[in-house]
Amino acid sequence: GQQVMQIPQYQHVQEGEDFTTYCNSSTTLSNIQWYKQRPGGHPVFLIQLVKSGEVKKQKRLTFQFGEAKKNSSLHITATQTTDVGTYFCAGHQRDDYKLSFGAGTTVTVRA
Amino acid sequence: GAGVSQTPSNKVTEKGKYVELRCDPISGHTALYWYRQSLGQGPEFLIYFQGTGAADDSGLPNDRFFAVRPEGSVSTLKIQRTERGDSAVYLCASSRTPNTGELFFGEGSRLTVL
Repeated sequence: GQQVMQIPQYQHVQEGEDFTTYCNSSTTLSNIQWYKQRPGGHPVFLIQLVKSGEVKKQKRLTFQFGEAKKNSSLHITATQTTDVGTYFCAGHQRDDYKLSFGAGTTVTVRA
Repeated sequence: GAGVSQTPSNKVTEKGKYVELRCDPISGHTALYWYRQSLGQGPEFLIYFQGTGAADDSGLPNDRFFAVRPEGSVSTLKIQRTERGDSAVYLCASSRTPNTGELFFGEGSRLTVL
């Protein structure tokens, strides 16, 4: 079955620094989505990527979908304390309704 | 309401008991998903409904788990003969379109089986 893997599992960042989290699928995806879950909260949708090689930006967040549509990355610049939480990637295989989530990258920020 | 509503928010039960968890999706969303999330893990797919029918129930761990959505809106996840390993947060999500749209998650129902 489809597996979605994320690295690193934990990311400890100094406030103001940049970091990247990576997502890899064992199968080709029709799209990939990213969600953020704050401590004690529920996953909240951030963005969806559909096209091979697609890059989208949301303020300090940059999302990329790989050329082979099997991997994705999230890059955060100038990390702030508001970025604390767990970031999940999730993907659909073609013609599959199931959205499979990775285990997430949990981000903590040192002020 | 404006968002996905789940009840109860917390449920503590004893091993062997029967439990029902309810999800009220966003009005007009035809797609409804149930996920289970254990501490430190990502949401684990359980079942997907399109309208009233279960389009994909491949994630249900065994036959103690069952879900219904009789009128295409509210859904109930039913767990029989609960086990300690069933303890987790059960998340419901709805989507305007299946397969491509963003999921809107509820706050979850935290189930603890003693």
